[in-house]
Amino acid sequence: DGGITQSPKYLFRKEGQNVTLSCEQNLNHDAMYWYRQDPGQGLRLIYYSQIVNDFQKGDIAEGYSVSREKKESFPLTVTSAQKNPTAFYLCASNPGLPNTEAFFGQGTRLTVV
Amino acid sequence: SQKIEQNSEALNIQEGKTATLTCNYTNYSPAYLQWYRQDPGRGPVFLLLIRENEKEKRKERLKVTFDTTLKQSLFHITASQPADSATYLCALDTTGSGYSTLTFGKGTMLLVSP
Repeated sequence: DGGITQSPKYLFRKEGQNVTLSCEQNLNHDAMYWYRQDPGQGLRLIYYSQIVNDFQKGDIAEGYSVSREKKESFPLTVTSAQKNPTAFYLCASNPGLPNTEAFFGQGTRLTVV
Repeated sequence: SQKIEQNSEALNIQEGKTATLTCNYTNYSPAYLQWYRQDPGRGPVFLLLIRENEKEKRKERLKVTFDTTLKQSLFHITASQPADSATYLCALDTTGSGYSTLTFGKGTMLLVSP
């Protein structure tokens, strides 16, 4: 089945550590996105990529990094510079064409311990 | 500043009634608007997309309207069921080009009681 897969579902990180969240899609989509969701809040855009080997900062990119070496993969690294990393992280993709829906993964809940 | 506003209070309705959720926006001229459903601990799921030149869109028990003059979209679920209980998010293309990333509202929680 085609879809978008995030792993792991739950992740615990010690303060000062970097951690990488995985996002893989087999939908042949050009565009991929990372959002952060805090309790009672909407989704906020961290980074997005509209083509392989290219990506742009979203509204809250500080303390995060990404890569897009393959069309199928868009991993997100939460660095120690991110002051409040505990949140629910969502990866999404779409074909990159106008007026198209986004497909989301099931999310990764990151907790700093 | 640019804003997307959805009613932050949960909407409680009885089974069988029509639920109406509101999405208001300011300082955008979106080419389209989308509605998503999100269940607790899960990613949003796409429901409907409506373009700026469309007044209304329907899909089964769902109906969306889009008033670019009022800068408002209404999302209706008719004959609501307890299984419709979830958070509903509206999302806009914020550049008006159709190619931009989506900006989401905070969502409105809908609770349908039997």
